[in-house]
Amino acid sequence: AQKVTQAQTEISVVEKEDVTLDCVYETRDTTYYLFWYKQPPSGELVFLIRRNSFDEQNEISGRYSWNFQKSTSSFNFTITASQVVDSAVYFCALSEINNGQNFVFGPGTRLSVLP
Amino acid sequence: DARVTQTPRDKVTEMGQEVTMRCQPILGHNTVFWYRQTMMQGLELLAYFRNRAPLDDSGMPKDRFSAEMPDATLATLKIQPSEPRDSAVYFCASGPGGSGANVLTFGAGSRLTVL
Repeated sequence: AQKVTQAQTEISVVEKEDVTLDCVYETRDTTYYLFWYKQPPSGELVFLIRRNSFDEQNEISGRYSWNFQKSTSSFNFTITASQVVDSAVYFCALSEINNGQNFVFGPGTRLSVLP
Repeated sequence: DARVTQTPRDKVTEMGQEVTMRCQPILGHNTVFWYRQTMMQGLELLAYFRNRAPLDDSGMPKDRFSAEMPDATLATLKIQPSEPRDSAVYFCASGPGGSGANVLTFGAGSRLTVL
């Protein structure tokens, strides 16, 4: 069965600090996708990134970066120089690669960035 | 921007009443997911449709919940009779389908309160 664990329930940082959100997954599939979604206080879930299991290159997008390590089944997300607007709940998710079924979310990490 | 539209945004009802939530997926998307979000359980997958056919509704309490897609532009989630434990935010998400996993676009959610 597929499972996503986000061990950090809540994190608080002060603005401009770097913060890393951890994600560990379990799957018996050899091919799969990993995702991060952001849920700001408004409530809507916003897609951030998708990574397939064949591509272990790290990715950077502005202040966001993602570290995918297949050997440790981890897909961690780092925000550099955090801002108050980054305050949200962040979800890591895992999906089968063939048809997108069984899209499983982790429990989420609530990030509070204090001014 | 293409959006997934959900109605109602907020619903307060009394135990025993029927509740219907509606979702208009993004035009051209052929996969639709229903999720329920609560503090205790996080994001739970209730049902999944592809090309209007239900593929997985194992997460849904069958005795009181039903999900349908009368046409490609409308997905419905019905609860009859509703109970206080159904109080949650219900999200609809749609994806383009095809090979590879979907990047799901979520609606703003329907917040249900059952008194």
